[in-house]
Amino acid sequence: DVKVTQSSRYLVKRTGEKVFLECVQDMDHENMFWYRQDPGLGLRLIYFSYDVKMKEKGDIPEGYSVSREKKERFSLILESASTNQTSMYLCASSSNVLNTGELFFGEGSRLTVL
Amino acid sequence: LAKTTQPISMDSYEGQEVNITCSHNNIATNDYITWYQQFPSQGPRFIIQGYKTKVTNEVASLFIPADRKSSTLSLPRVSLSDTAVYYCLVGDKAAGNKLTFGGGTRVLVKP
Repeated sequence: DVKVTQSSRYLVKRTGEKVFLECVQDMDHENMFWYRQDPGLGLRLIYFSYDVKMKEKGDIPEGYSVSREKKERFSLILESASTNQTSMYLCASSSNVLNTGELFFGEGSRLTVL
Repeated sequence: LAKTTQPISMDSYEGQEVNITCSHNNIATNDYITWYQQFPSQGPRFIIQGYKTKVTNEVASLFIPADRKSSTLSLPRVSLSDTAVYYCLVGDKAAGNKLTFGGGTRVLVKP
């Protein structure tokens, strides 16, 4: 059973703080993704990665960066958190080997920036 | 990337069949159609995927007409636990292809 684990379910941070959201998957998937979800806007892709040390911008990368030093871990970084980054953040992974395109999601991290 | 359009919400009753239609007029030749289900406070979960005609699994059926410009997810005999948001996505299955999620369809199953 694929498992995608996000380090924190709920976080509260202050404006200007640096925030790290961690995601780990245990199925040796090559691809990893970070989305944010806001009411009425669905899921929007922030960044994704096809391989270790590789990253590509999604639809809304501004204000975020990512790190993928190991295959199983994909971190989302908010260098200086702002209130408009209050959101639900979802990490996902998918396999190149199976090539079904299926995304496996974590349970999400709800971030509140005060 | 092909854009999808689906109804914002639908209501149904337990035991009924629910059909959600998704429009994707500019679907590309290599694109597949995939549906996800999301419960509150959880990540989306894969339900079904198809390319053309009909696909059925233990959860749902997916009907795709010959022109592939739309698709219909069919949930047979829904229960209260099927209350969720359902997302239709189209995209190439090529490795790592980024998929765009639209707003989804909120399905409410009533007793």
